[in-house]
Amino acid sequence: GEDVEQSLFLSVREGDSSVINCTYTDSSSTYLYWYKQEPGAGLQLLTYIFSNMDMKQDQRLTVLLNKKDKHLSLRIADTQTGDSAIYFCAEAPPGGGNKLTFGTGTQLKVEL
Amino acid sequence: KAGVTQTPRYLIKTRGQQVTLSCSPISGHRSVSWYQQTPGQGLQFLFEYFSETQRNKGNFPGRFSGRQFSNSRSEMNVSTLELGDSALYLCASSLLGQETQYFGPGTRLLVL
Repeated sequence: GEDVEQSLFLSVREGDSSVINCTYTDSSSTYLYWYKQEPGAGLQLLTYIFSNMDMKQDQRLTVLLNKKDKHLSLRIADTQTGDSAIYFCAEAPPGGGNKLTFGTGTQLKVEL
Repeated sequence: KAGVTQTPRYLIKTRGQQVTLSCSPISGHRSVSWYQQTPGQGLQFLFEYFSETQRNKGNFPGRFSGRQFSNSRSEMNVSTLELGDSALYLCASSLLGQETQYFGPGTRLLVL
């Protein structure tokens, strides 16, 4: 199948860390992406990881990739109210190309 | 550099009509992809154009079509609109089609 799965909701307190999880389908995917979508807006690229990497850190964001389990996670350190949004993981097909398969999206709510 | 732009941002049509949406990619980007986002189906790939040729196609009926011009701008057309075509239509561009895609703000289409 081609379902990329994510949990639907996550609620955290401001200042805590958030971890958003994603299970993807194709072990030969080349790139895996995290996008953020705020209400009424398009998709903002947050970060991506190449399939031969285990971890990537970019300021407050840490991406972990477990290829054996086809599991991807996004950790947001020191979560702020401005981080409230829907987060999508996406996988690119093997061999490249732009036909991304998106997850269902995780709605992150940051409470004071 | 200016980002991906889409016009119009909002559109209301009635069943049976047709609609044309426009996307201008980031300057220098030659690949343009289109996605449909609905609450029920999530984000789904429509098609990708590169150098004026359709390179990839998703599982949508023939009512959905597109094209790309020599300046890389792209249009998508939906004929004989149905209520279920109400969605946010997102356009994304990348340099050559093998790299990270950057999304526009989307066109929100409402079919009455």
